[in-house]
Amino acid sequence: GQNIDQPTEMTATEGAIVQINCTYQTSGFNGLFWYQQHAGEAPTFLSYNVLDGLEEKGRFSSFLSRSKGYSYLLLKELQMKDSASYLCAVVDSNYQLIWGAGTKLIIKP
Amino acid sequence: GAVVSQHPSRVICKSGTSVKIECRSLDFQATTMFWYRQFPKQSLMLMATSNEGSKATYEQGVEKDKFLINHASLTLSTLTVTSAHPEDSSFYICSARGPQSSYEQYFGPGTRLTVT
Repeated sequence: GQNIDQPTEMTATEGAIVQINCTYQTSGFNGLFWYQQHAGEAPTFLSYNVLDGLEEKGRFSSFLSRSKGYSYLLLKELQMKDSASYLCAVVDSNYQLIWGAGTKLIIKP
Repeated sequence: GAVVSQHPSRVICKSGTSVKIECRSLDFQATTMFWYRQFPKQSLMLMATSNEGSKATYEQGVEKDKFLINHASLTLSTLTVTSAHPEDSSFYICSARGPQSSYEQYFGPGTRLTVT
């Protein structure tokens, strides 16, 4: 079967750095997305990785290792507004998005 | 670019009635749209994939006669919840596959359905 694993919840301090991990086992791989979802709102796109390595975009970076079936989202200089759920999603061989359950990130002052 | 709208944003209806939710791609044509449901503190659950001009593909466990999906144009898909019951109360979110044929999905703002 297909499986995406992320931690359910993480807590971090304002101004700090946090890394949210995602591991996957899917039938095929055509890329991995990270989305941010604030409570009561729809998800918004953060990043897309299809090749191994680190993609940096401002305070957010995303890393992919296809051989390990592993990705992480790195958030730097955390702000209170970063409190949200972070969803990992993999595009499988049928070009369908397989969603993780999401990681709820709590930022404390 | 790649904006998706949803209407209504919130709806309250009585048990037994039907509710229609519209999903529109405003500045691009979307041959494929997706409908999700999300219960409080849970992740997105894909309900169905909607392709323009053809029947929707429903995920296992989703009643196609209860959740009617129509994708009659390249910019509009509708979800009708028929004979709604309180357990159908949820956050319904649509998304559209992006205009560049990437696999990114652009999400509408969601519809909060409350069935009393």
